[in-house]
Amino acid sequence: GAVVSQHPSRVICKSGTSVKIECRSLDFQATTMFWYRQFPKQSLMLMATSNEGSKATYEQGVEKDKFLINHASLTLSTLTVTSAHPEDSSFYICSARGAGGGQPQHFGDGTRLSIL
Amino acid sequence: DAKTTQPPSMDCAEGRAANLPCNHSTISGNEYVYWYRQIHSQGPQYIIHGLKNNETNEMASLIITEDRKSSTLILPHATLRDTAVYYCIVRVFLQETSGSRLTFGEGTQLTVNP
Repeated sequence: GAVVSQHPSRVICKSGTSVKIECRSLDFQATTMFWYRQFPKQSLMLMATSNEGSKATYEQGVEKDKFLINHASLTLSTLTVTSAHPEDSSFYICSARGAGGGQPQHFGDGTRLSIL
Repeated sequence: DAKTTQPPSMDCAEGRAANLPCNHSTISGNEYVYWYRQIHSQGPQYIIHGLKNNETNEMASLIITEDRKSSTLILPHATLRDTAVYYCIVRVFLQETSGSRLTFGEGTQLTVNP
């Protein structure tokens, strides 16, 4: 099946640091990529959607200057959490979908971000 | 996207069939039913999806009622590794638009017991 690779799987860093998370589609071209966030014991919440070569569309309440998304190619999207603070600690999950009919979204294994 | 309703938790004995229900009474004619599951601390895993016909793959079967207001995901022989949160999601399938994406509810915590 389709594979989405997310890196790193875990990050621990100090408050004020910027953190970049990579998401790659390994065996298909991802025309659309999605970034979700999940707090403990809660469901996934969509943060933003990006199409290759276009600016990301952010969900209401998500700061675009805080969470920078780049989708520069059909196989790579990055999420940068700028000047991270403890409240940004969460499980971040990317998802990708290919073009064409019948394509479901496939998910990476997530990045556990802990800000001290 | 149409709202879905799932029981918060279910238990199943190992080796037995697990039947997970989902209500989506406001579903529209062009909305698909998707099922995903999430094992603790991992990303969601795609299971199956369908529009109106029943579907089967190597993981599960999806039974959609004739009026499409509800569906059931069937894991024919549950194993301990099937313990996970199962999400039923209804989504309009649009090929290229960025407006088409999965919105997760609370899901059903399925626990498979030995």
